Amino acid sequence: QKEVEQDPGPLSVPEGAIVSLNCTYSNSAFQYFMWYRQYSRKGPELLMYTYSSGNKEDGRFTAQVDKSSKYISLFIRDSQPSDSATYLCAMANQAGTALIFGKGTTLSVSS
Amino acid sequence: EAQVTQNPRYLITVTGKKLTVTCSQNMNHEYMSWYRQDPGLGLRQIYYSMNVEVTDKGDVPEGYKVSRKEKRNFPLILESPSPNQTSLYFCASSLRQNTGELFFGEGSRLTVL
Repeated sequence: QKEVEQDPGPLSVPEGAIVSLNCTYSNSAFQYFMWYRQYSRKGPELLMYTYSSGNKEDGRFTAQVDKSSKYISLFIRDSQPSDSATYLCAMANQAGTALIFGKGTTLSVSS
Repeated sequence: EAQVTQNPRYLITVTGKKLTVTCSQNMNHEYMSWYRQDPGLGLRQIYYSMNVEVTDKGDVPEGYKVSRKEKRNFPLILESPSPNQTSLYFCASSLRQNTGELFFGEGSRLTVL
């Protein structure tokens, strides 16, 4: 079983749609959960950062962590063409000795 | 402006010709790391450094070397590049030990012929 699984997409939605991106993981030691956004020909940039379980909201973005199910999600409300990018989930353990990335989901938002 | 700077951004080289990709950060971060990104394989860690003079192997260290003589710089060295090292390379830094809050550089696309 892979440590992190993320559907690669591509995912195509119309402008204004609600987008749900997901990752599952197998290592129960992960405590820090991140979502990175990567535009074409650019480096990943940290979008959302959460510790342990729960929800975190930042503008149109909401990150959810369900540690009991080993499942994390990123929701994008009122999606915009500027949201078109690859979204990478990532997770790390408490000690900081293990950080692993999902392979990314490519999102395209059409106007 | 807080940033991680990599050079060169693009490089085409030939098998066996030593090359260095430089990485510099201006945020006084302790932790620095190198990743390679390949289609279908995602981001894989090559080497990381918790602080000056402290480096350790990541998941795919074969064929690479690093050094951390100064806090701000973390060069990646390919002593004898091979075609399987053709990839997109990213340097990243973090304020403290690696809990995932990484700042990435713009990437260096390397082609080895």
